[in-house]
Amino acid sequence: DGGITQSPKYLFRKEGQNVTLSCEQNLNHDAMYWYRQDPGQGLRLIYYSQIVNDFQKGDIAEGYSVSREKKESFPLTVTSAQKNPTAFYLCASSDGTYNSPLHFGNGTRLTVT
Amino acid sequence: KQEVTQIPAALSVPEGENLVLNCSFTDSAIYNLQWFRQDPGKGLTSLLLIQSSQREQTSGRLNASLDKSSGRSTLYIAASQPGDSATYLCAAKSINDYKLSFGAGTTVTVRA
Repeated sequence: DGGITQSPKYLFRKEGQNVTLSCEQNLNHDAMYWYRQDPGQGLRLIYYSQIVNDFQKGDIAEGYSVSREKKESFPLTVTSAQKNPTAFYLCASSDGTYNSPLHFGNGTRLTVT
Repeated sequence: KQEVTQIPAALSVPEGENLVLNCSFTDSAIYNLQWFRQDPGKGLTSLLLIQSSQREQTSGRLNASLDKSSGRSTLYIAASQPGDSATYLCAAKSINDYKLSFGAGTTVTVRA
């Protein structure tokens, strides 16, 4: 089955540590996205990539970094510079055309204490 | 900057009742309006995508309408079932920056 796999499902880290969230897709999609979801708020865009080896900052990129070395993979690193990292993180992909729907993974819930 | 609003934040209906979910957006310069479903602790599932040139889209018991001039979209779910209980989110894709702006969602509970 084609889809997006995010791992792990739950992640716990101590404050001051960097952590990397995995996102892999086998949909052959060019575009990939990272969103953050907080209770009572809409999804907010962290980073996106429309092609391999290229990515752009979204609305809340501070404290995060990404790479896109392979078409199917778009890992997100939450650095110690992110002030409030505890959240639900969602990875998504699309074929990159204007009217293509977004496909989402099942998310990673990160808790930093 | 596009602002997307969904009111109410939550609603509860008895099984069999038709559901009407509202979505409003501030900037009518959009490529499309998308509706998603989210189950607790899960990712989003795409339900319907309405292109800016379209007035509505239908899939089974779901029908979504789009009125760009008034900045509104409505998702209708006919004959609701307990399995329809979830959070429904809408998102508008802006022509200016190609980004999707999401509403906070409406959490629906269908009572058996």
